[in-house]
Amino acid sequence: EVQVVESGGGLVQPGGSLRLSCVASGFTFGDYSMTWVRQAPGKGLEWVSSISERGGDSYYRDSVKGRFIISRDNSGNTLYLQMNNLRVEDTANYYCARRGWSGAMDYWGQGTLVTVSS
Amino acid sequence: EIVLTQSPDTLSLSPGERATLSCRASQSVGRYLAWYQQKPGQAPRLLIYDASNRATGIPARFSGSGSGTDFTLTISGLDPEDFAVYYCHQRYQWPRTFGQGTKVEIK
Repeated sequence: EVQVVESGGGLVQPGGSLRLSCVASGFTFGDYSMTWVRQAPGKGLEWVSSISERGGDSYYRDSVKGRFIISRDNSGNTLYLQMNNLRVEDTANYYCARRGWSGAMDYWGQGTLVTVSS
Repeated sequence: EIVLTQSPDTLSLSPGERATLSCRASQSVGRYLAWYQQKPGQAPRLLIYDASNRATGIPARFSGSGSGTDFTLTISGLDPEDFAVYYCHQRYQWPRTFGQGTKVEIK
């Protein structure tokens, strides 16, 4: 069974850092590109960042460029999102999703909540 | 950035009725458009990819159409489990973007 499970969320002050993890199972992790999508409380979905199968290519939304770093460890089946200089507006549930062979995000985790507040 | 605008924001229908949801892109996305369903407290679920292809396990009452800038998700007869929020999403260009969502609620 394909699964992706996020962790690492929590409460952090503005300007602080967090590292999110997403552990994958049930598929060959290194064969798939991966994506982080977030959802602020009561709001819609927002694409954050994506990384290619081997990690050579990464993409970010403008509002997180220079602050967030996406990476992956294919030997450990884990996707990461290092979030630095966090802002109140980064408060959201962060989902990890697999980009399937269809090109769409076909498997999603349940998310991990990041709250940025003083 | 490609802006996706969904309409209407809310659709109030009864079980068994037909639902028609629209997604309009600010520029062409070819057929690289997907639809997701999200229920409260749950992760999004892929329904349709590349405009008109149903994802694995998705019932035939869900169908997608369109290309370029105008897309439609149709639910041919609403089941009680279909009342949820629906998002369109383009993978034609970076940054990837989502529509703001259409809530399908029980009338």
